Amino acid sequence: ETGVTQTPRHLVMGMTNKKSLKCEQHLGHNAMYWYKQSAKKPLELMFVYSLEERVENNSVPSRFSPECPNSSHLFLHLHTLQPEDSALYLCASSQLSGGTDTQYFGPGTRLTVL
Amino acid sequence: GNSVTQMEGPVTLSEEAFLTINCTYTATGYPSLFWYVQYPGEGLQLLLKATKADDKGSNKGFEATYRKETTSFHLEKGSVQVSDSAVYFCARSTLGRLYFGRGTQLTVWP
Repeated sequence: ETGVTQTPRHLVMGMTNKKSLKCEQHLGHNAMYWYKQSAKKPLELMFVYSLEERVENNSVPSRFSPECPNSSHLFLHLHTLQPEDSALYLCASSQLSGGTDTQYFGPGTRLTVL
Repeated sequence: GNSVTQMEGPVTLSEEAFLTINCTYTATGYPSLFWYVQYPGEGLQLLLKATKADDKGSNKGFEATYRKETTSFHLEKGSVQVSDSAVYFCARSTLGRLYFGRGTQLTVWP
């Protein structure tokens, strides 16, 4: 397994459900990110974890709850979502070393909230 | 501020045509610059990057040159293929944060 993987690739959930998105990076990086990509809107950075510590939360509603148990894994726990939360959720990782900090992305989870 | 502006699409070309997608940025200091590509149904893939002025990033026939004097990083390809149809994102990085443009949809017809 190489790069950044995400599961599931597709998820349909009702507004009262609880689900989790999973991201795993196999690149030895020390930072991980969650982005939201909605139709006709710019990519939105949601959360940043550096060395397993959350360093950024861009005013994301509390119905989205991230978890980073170690440097290779990142979760996004979802509960009581709204239809407007339907989007492609992208995970990325990078090595924060003062260099180019290139981010590598997973394939995304396509989420539909009914 | 920290922003990236890229030309709005969609861009529609015939196979073997020349491609240019314009990108300009605002930033303090010397950011790294990137082009990412998103094929249908997939995540973003790094296409190329440049880390300092006058650097040229290149990959799969695509090129972009870091122009500090014009704060630009335009993407070019001399002869596009149908398989290049995708959305292209310009981005800049400062202190580990990526700032993306809105993306440009490219469709190449045979």
